[in-house]
Amino acid sequence: DQQVKQNSPSLSVQEGRISILNCDYTNSMFDYFLWYKKYPAEGPTFLISISSIKDKNEDGRFTVFLNKSAKHLSLHIVPSQPGDSAVYFCAASDYSGNTPLVFGKGTRLSVIA
Amino acid sequence: EAGVTQFPSHSVIEKGQTVTLRCDPISGHDNLYWYRRVMGKEIKFLLHFVKESKQDESGMPNNRFLAERTGGTYSTLKVQPAELEDSGVYFCASSPGLATDTQYFGPGTRLTVL
Repeated sequence: DQQVKQNSPSLSVQEGRISILNCDYTNSMFDYFLWYKKYPAEGPTFLISISSIKDKNEDGRFTVFLNKSAKHLSLHIVPSQPGDSAVYFCAASDYSGNTPLVFGKGTRLSVIA
Repeated sequence: EAGVTQFPSHSVIEKGQTVTLRCDPISGHDNLYWYRRVMGKEIKFLLHFVKESKQDESGMPNNRFLAERTGGTYSTLKVQPAELEDSGVYFCASSPGLATDTQYFGPGTRLTVL
C-alpha cells in the first residue's frame, strides 16, 4: 500500500520552460515533505522541503507547493535547465524525523535543449 | 569533507550465497540509515542506527538480513542466504541529527542475485 504516490513515471520539458512534478500522499500523519534529486549512479540529494504549516517554499528556481486538503504537493522548476534532468523523488515524514522517510517511485525529468 | 561511501558499488551473487555491504557515514554523524530500491519501485526504509544502537528496524524484510554498526562508525548489512527478490540498489544515508532534511545519501550498492 503506497503512502506516497508519484503517478507520472516520466516528464519531458523544453529548456527554459516550467517543469511541474506532482506527488500525492495518503497518510494524514505526514507533516513534512521533501524532494530529492537523483542522477544515475549517485545517491539521492536533498533538494527542497516543506512543513505542513506552510503552503509554499521557494529556493531559487525550485518551489514546492503543498495542498493539505488534497494531500497533494508539487515541485516547480523555473526555468528548467538540461542539468535538471534526473529522477525526482517525493518523500514524506513527520517533522521530528522520528518516523522513517517514505518515498514515492520517482519521476524521471528530461529537459530538452 | 568526504561524503557517505558504500562498498562495493556492484555485487553479483548466486541465490543462496552471502553478501555483505558496507557503509561509511560522514564523520561525526550519529544517525545512519539503510534503504533499498527495487528496480522501478520506491526507495524503502530498512533500518536506522543511532550510534551503535538500532533505533528502528521496522523495514527489515526478514531475518535473512542482519545489520550491524560496531563502535558507532561504519555499518554492514549482511544478506544470508540471498534470494532473487533481494536484488536492488541498497542506499546508506547519514545525518548528524534527526531532522529529515539533513540525510546525506551514499551512491548505493547495486546487488544482483542470480
